[in-house]
Amino acid sequence: DVKVTQSSRYLVKRTGEKVFLECVQDMDHENMFWYRQDPGLGLRLIYFSYDVKMKEKGDIPEGYSVSREKKERFSLILESASTNQTSMYLCASTPGQYYEQYFGPGTRLTVT
Amino acid sequence: AQKVTQAQTEISVVEKEDVTLDCVYETRDTTYYLFWYKQPPSGELVFLIRRNSFDEQNEISGRYSWNFQKSTSSFNFTITASQVVDSAVYFCALSDSMNSGYSTLTFGKGTMLLVSP
Repeated sequence: DVKVTQSSRYLVKRTGEKVFLECVQDMDHENMFWYRQDPGLGLRLIYFSYDVKMKEKGDIPEGYSVSREKKERFSLILESASTNQTSMYLCASTPGQYYEQYFGPGTRLTVT
Repeated sequence: AQKVTQAQTEISVVEKEDVTLDCVYETRDTTYYLFWYKQPPSGELVFLIRRNSFDEQNEISGRYSWNFQKSTSSFNFTITASQVVDSAVYFCALSDSMNSGYSTLTFGKGTMLLVSP
């Protein structure tokens, strides 16, 4: 079974802090994704990566950056956290184009 | 631009009722895929089905069935004889290559299904 893990289920940070959200998949998938999920807005794509060291902006990249130094790991970085980044963050991976994405359990981030 | 609309925000049914979740999509691609995911209260999204744009056959898996109609750009999901464990948020999603040439998922806003005993 595909396993996507995220470093924390719950995280509380202060405004202005640098925040790292880590995601690891164990199935050698090429593509990895970061989404945020907010009530009434569904899932929105922040960034994705189709190869090591490669990244592409999604629909809402502002205020975020990403890093993919190894194939299995995709990190989401909030350089200076703000209260409007309080959300559920979901990581996903997929072996290639048009395949289903496998999701991690999510990290609920609260910025105070 | 690609778009997925799930017009039903919340549906409440009583156990054993049949329920249909609607999904309407927009895309200019001729090759695309449609998906349904389930998000139970635990929060983790669970993949249910993938269907490509060239296969309009309906699909049935146990109590679940899907109706894909290109003519109306719809991919509806029916649960027969609903159970309390079906209570979840259900997302419809579209994958095409409109985003930088890479296939990404565009999600609908989800339909919350509440099944009461």
